[in-house]
Amino acid sequence: TQLLEQSPQFLSIQEGENLTVYCNSSSVFSSLQWYRQEPGEGPVLLVTVVTGGEVKKLKRLTFQFGDARKDSSLHITAAQPGDTGLYLCAGALGGKLIFGQGTELSVKP
Amino acid sequence: NAGVTQTPKFQVLKTGQSMTLQCAQDMNHEYMSWYRQDPGMGLRLIHYSVGAGITDQGEVPNGYNVSRSTTEDFPLRLLSAAPSQTSVYFCASMVRGPGNTIYFGEGSWLTVV
Repeated sequence: TQLLEQSPQFLSIQEGENLTVYCNSSSVFSSLQWYRQEPGEGPVLLVTVVTGGEVKKLKRLTFQFGDARKDSSLHITAAQPGDTGLYLCAGALGGKLIFGQGTELSVKP
Repeated sequence: NAGVTQTPKFQVLKTGQSMTLQCAQDMNHEYMSWYRQDPGMGLRLIHYSVGAGITDQGEVPNGYNVSRSTTEDFPLRLLSAAPSQTSVYFCASMVRGPGNTIYFGEGSWLTVV
């Protein structure tokens, strides 16, 4: 069983559409991070959220940490083909960093 | 500043062979970890270490051994490789604490035939 459940696992959309990726758990995390990974490379950190209810924006990407620090969401506005990639959430729990299974996003021009 | 260095980048093993994946970091980070990445599974934690001389199991430790004799190095050993261990392996390091950045190596592609 996955400690961090990401949904959806696959997402294929047209350029200009909006999308939201969810990361859910029954555990409370001290912090939660979102990563983006390109084929053949390691994950690259996008953002870290630490406080329950926190919202962070990175250009067209909006990240939210749930009030109870058990879940998070990533919203992309007006997606572009350059947003294509694997998006991973990761939570800090008991000294370990645990990853969700990832969301494979494809944005078609 | 090399960051996190992993070797080898590619390796093919026969079932039953042993090998060690090397990982070194030059940032004096306390925390180091090994993950494996398989399609549809994200990154799964194999073993981690919170400092020299201290290691602990992650989510999928079976078939793997680690040691942490120095702050810089955290090798991952496969004692008797199995086809189920075919995967991409990532080493990572960070300074522990909320909100700290984790640094990944470039990955090691391992195939067990």
